[in-house]
This record gives sequence, structure tokens and C-alpha cells, in this order.
Amino acid sequence: AQSVTQPDIHITVSEGASLELRCNYSYGATPYLFWYVQSPGQGLQLLLKYFSGDTLVQGIKGFEAEFKRSQSSFNLRKPSVHWSDAAEYFCAVGTGNQFYFGTGTSLTVIP
Amino acid sequence: DGGITQSPKYLFRKEGQNVTLSCEQNLNHDAMYWYRQDPGQGLRLIYYSQIVNDFQKGDIAEGYSVSREKKESFPLTVTSAQKNPTAFYLCASSISPDHQPQHFGDGTRLSIL
Repeated sequence: AQSVTQPDIHITVSEGASLELRCNYSYGATPYLFWYVQSPGQGLQLLLKYFSGDTLVQGIKGFEAEFKRSQSSFNLRKPSVHWSDAAEYFCAVGTGNQFYFGTGTSLTVIP
Repeated sequence: DGGITQSPKYLFRKEGQNVTLSCEQNLNHDAMYWYRQDPGQGLRLIYYSQIVNDFQKGDIAEGYSVSREKKESFPLTVTSAQKNPTAFYLCASSISPDHQPQHFGDGTRLSIL
């Protein structure tokens, strides 16, 4: 069965520090991969997506993610975090006609 | 601007009452989805629809019902059979059912009185 694992429930970083959020998936073929961000009480906003091609994808708000087939991972990175990046982040896998979401990583940014 | 509109933003239900959550999109998307979000559990799929007049159960369909009479609309009814309906409900749509990213509304928070 397909699954998405985000091993970090909560992460705290200092403003200006780098960030990496982990995502591992379980799927037989190469999946379609996504990262979403959710602010409190809001819907999900798409940060970036990977369908094929270059394994390093750029997204909005300065985020990037790297697909590593050998590790079944799709980690999200940002070189310098801003206070406005504090939110919940979800990794998702698209297979067939369904999406599978991870349980999310909550990011706190401290001054 | 195109988007997905969910209403109301907050909804309260009495015991034994059915309530309907609205979801409207003007993106001309074929596929629409309903998710339930609980703290620490991520998003769980309730129902999805790939085309008008067709829909399928997701992972947690019990106690819920939907309809898809128009391409733009995919209302969700939370019935009295749903014993724990308090949650944040998210509607989403995608251009086609397969693989495209999903676009989300701002959600409806349902609480029990």
C-alpha cells in the first residue's frame, strides 16, 4: 500500500537558519510528489511538485525539494527561514486517482 | 480570480442533525475531493468525484454523503450516523483525476453543540 512518512512532527529553527523537512514514501513506481503548506485555519497551498526530469525542483517562497529515488525521499529545503514560514507542512504522493498525505510537520520559527 | 470556495467557515451541529458543507469551484476542474483533518492525523479522504454524477468512497466515508450534480459543486453532508464529526473539513479540486496537483479551499470547521 502507498504511504507517506514525515518523521518529524515538530521542528523549531531560528530565523535565518536553514531548514530541511523530511519526507519518505512507499510506492512501487515513480510517484508524483508534492509539498504543501498550511497556515492555521486555512487550506493547503502548493509549494512545489515533482513529476519527472530534474530531481531538484524549485517552488514558491524560496523553497526547493530533491527527489532521491534510491532513498524514496523527497525532502523540502530552504536556505534561510523567515518568521512568516511558520506553518504546517505536508508531503503528498499522487498515484492513480488519489493523493496520500503525510501527517505533517509543524514548523516554529524563533527570533 | 479562480478558486475554491467553502462555506460556511464555521458550522455547529446539534446531536442527531444532518449538516451540509458547501464547496464550489470556478476552475473548470473535473475532479473534486473532500478531506477530513484532525490534529496529528494529516488529511484523510472522505469522498472524491472524477466527473459529474459520479463519486467514490474514500478511506473514511462512513457517516458522510455527497452529490455531484454540477461540475462546479460538490457538497458534503455530515449525517447523524457520523459519531465524531468535530473536525476541519477541506475541499479540493484538480484538473483531472490522475496526478495533477490538488487545489484547496480554506476549509470549514465543524463543531458539535
